[in-house]
Amino acid sequence: AQKITQTQPGMFVQEKEAVTLDCTYDTSDQSYGLFWYKQPSSGEMIFLIYQGSYDEQNATEGRYSLNFQKARKSANLVISASQLGDSAMYFCAMREPPNFGNEKLTFGTGTRLTIIP
Amino acid sequence: NAGVMQNPRHLVRRRGQEARLRCSPMKGHSHVYWYRQLPEEGLKFMVYLQKENIIDESGMPKERFSAEFPKEGPSILRIQQVVRGDSAAYFCASSPPPGHHWGYTFGSGTRLTVV
Repeated sequence: AQKITQTQPGMFVQEKEAVTLDCTYDTSDQSYGLFWYKQPSSGEMIFLIYQGSYDEQNATEGRYSLNFQKARKSANLVISASQLGDSAMYFCAMREPPNFGNEKLTFGTGTRLTIIP
Repeated sequence: NAGVMQNPRHLVRRRGQEARLRCSPMKGHSHVYWYRQLPEEGLKFMVYLQKENIIDESGMPKERFSAEFPKEGPSILRIQQVVRGDSAAYFCASSPPPGHHWGYTFGSGTRLTVV
């Protein structure tokens, strides 16, 4: 069974600093996908970034980058130059290989990030 | 192109009543997933449906919960005889055929409160 571990329940970071949110995963599959989502206080799930297990380069999307270390089974999210609007819950998730089209996600417990002015 | 639409946004039910949660997938998406988020937890998979078919319901509680995705109309998650422990946020996601991660889109969720 797949498992996602986020060991940081909460983090406080000064505005404009970079922040790294940890995520480790456990799977016996060779093909998988890793996602990061942001959930602000309003509650919606906002897709941030995706990394495929066969992607050789780390994914980047604007201020977000994913530090993918396959041998260590880690997929940490790095946010550069943090902003007050980055304060939210952040979830790491893994997608299983499609099984009859089923691509359900397994989520970690999340990290609550608070940006301090 | 409208995103995944869920309604209602908030739903209050008394213990023992039925709750019906609706999800309209993105245009062109034929795969729907339902997830439940208990307070201060991550999302947990409940069920995966394609049009008129339940493909994987391994995350659904065995009693009182059911889901459908008819040929016409939205997907419905139905909870009968609700209890306090059903209070949670319920998210729907839709996707096109597998292999397109950018197509996996969540709705804004329905927050169910059982009083």
